[in-house]
Amino acid sequence: EDKVVQSPLSLVVHEGDTVTLNCSYEVTNFRSLLWYKQEKKAPTFLFMLTSSGIEKKSGRLSSILDKKELFSILNITATQTGDSAVYLCAVGYSGTYKYIFGTGTRLKVLA
Amino acid sequence: NAGVMQNPRHLVRRRGQEARLRCSPMKGHSHVYWYRQLPEEGLKFMVYLQKENIIDESGMPKERFSAEFPKEGPSILRIQQVVRGDSAAYFCASSQGAGETQYFGPGTRLLVL
Repeated sequence: EDKVVQSPLSLVVHEGDTVTLNCSYEVTNFRSLLWYKQEKKAPTFLFMLTSSGIEKKSGRLSSILDKKELFSILNITATQTGDSAVYLCAVGYSGTYKYIFGTGTRLKVLA
Repeated sequence: NAGVMQNPRHLVRRRGQEARLRCSPMKGHSHVYWYRQLPEEGLKFMVYLQKENIIDESGMPKERFSAEFPKEGPSILRIQQVVRGDSAAYFCASSQGAGETQYFGPGTRLLVL
């Protein structure tokens, strides 16, 4: 059965800390992996990853995909209270246009 | 460029009533996806539509749920004879092309009393 597993389920850190969120997957015919940030509203798009080993960066956030080991990580450096959210990972696969979402990692950044 | 719009943002229904949720995709997007999110759970795919066509409805419950995306107007997710277990946040996403990045609307929070 295709699945996406995120870890940890929740995380509490202090401002300035660096965090690494994990997303592992088991899908047939992998096509792409997406990261979203969800606060109390719509998930907002962060990154799309399709190729192994190529880091994507946006400010303090970065992400990389390992298609051999079937996982991706999302790094946030110098965390701020505004980074507090649920971070969702979604994997899409060929033959269908839907994405399978993980249950998310709930990050809380304390001042 | 307006993002994905959904309405209503909050909807309260009594058991047995009908719920209609609307989604207008981003400008230029013709692919719409509906997801359901239960409390403390991830987003679960329900249905994928293009204009006037249902492409993949493998995540839709077999009864009481239906979706459409007419040539003109928003996509509609319809839930007939709602039950308490239907209470959830329903998100719509749209993409420009099939399999491309999906952008989400703010969701409709349905509460069934």
